[in-house]
Amino acid sequence: DAKTTQPTSMDCAEGRAANLPCNHSTISGNEYVYWYRQIHSQGPQYIIHGLKNNETNEMASLIITEDRKSSTLILPHATLRDTAVYYCIVSAQGGSEKLVFGKGTKLTVNP
Amino acid sequence: DTGVSQDPRHKITKRGQNVTFRCDPISEHNRLYWYRQTLGQGPEFLTYFQNEAQLEKSRLLSDRFSAERPKGSFSTLEIQRTEQGDSAMYLCASNGQGGTIGETQYFGPGTRLLVL
Repeated sequence: DAKTTQPTSMDCAEGRAANLPCNHSTISGNEYVYWYRQIHSQGPQYIIHGLKNNETNEMASLIITEDRKSSTLILPHATLRDTAVYYCIVSAQGGSEKLVFGKGTKLTVNP
Repeated sequence: DTGVSQDPRHKITKRGQNVTFRCDPISEHNRLYWYRQTLGQGPEFLTYFQNEAQLEKSRLLSDRFSAERPKGSFSTLEIQRTEQGDSAMYLCASNGQGGTIGETQYFGPGTRLLVL
């Protein structure tokens, strides 16, 4: 079973920041937090990952709480093309083992 | 680098027929994964290979399913005697050196199977 809990759906206005929460209260010290997204009828796409520190790349920012029990993925300026299902995954080995997906959050970006 | 490719993209078959899917990973990647995704659910792990060795199989992979990666490059997933419950998207992913913490998996576009 997935070790994460995410809201089923969220809406965001185009151009605004989208903040997607994830709870992972049972995360272990050696487990990373990964985010993937899946646009309709495509394969999942990697977004970002982190262990303890906040991370930023060209796609998004990842904020991990100090106790590591939750995190937030931030899309700073959402576009219509960001409409997708976003998956938060915890994994000790990262990409070197199977990924356990939950149902994710369906983000809809509205014009 | 053209990414992970899968063939066919869509397959419609009748119950009881055999089907085979192919996955071509990113060329330098030595780890290859298969997942299955049904409607409204996240992908579920089926099996993975490091080079030609199949290292783990999910209990979802019944006896009717077999996966191979004979030369450590492309992989095939065969389903024998298909059932309507096999209707799903079959996803392939790959990554590089293995054992590297934090290494991401790159997914292909998937093969959508419909069993009538």
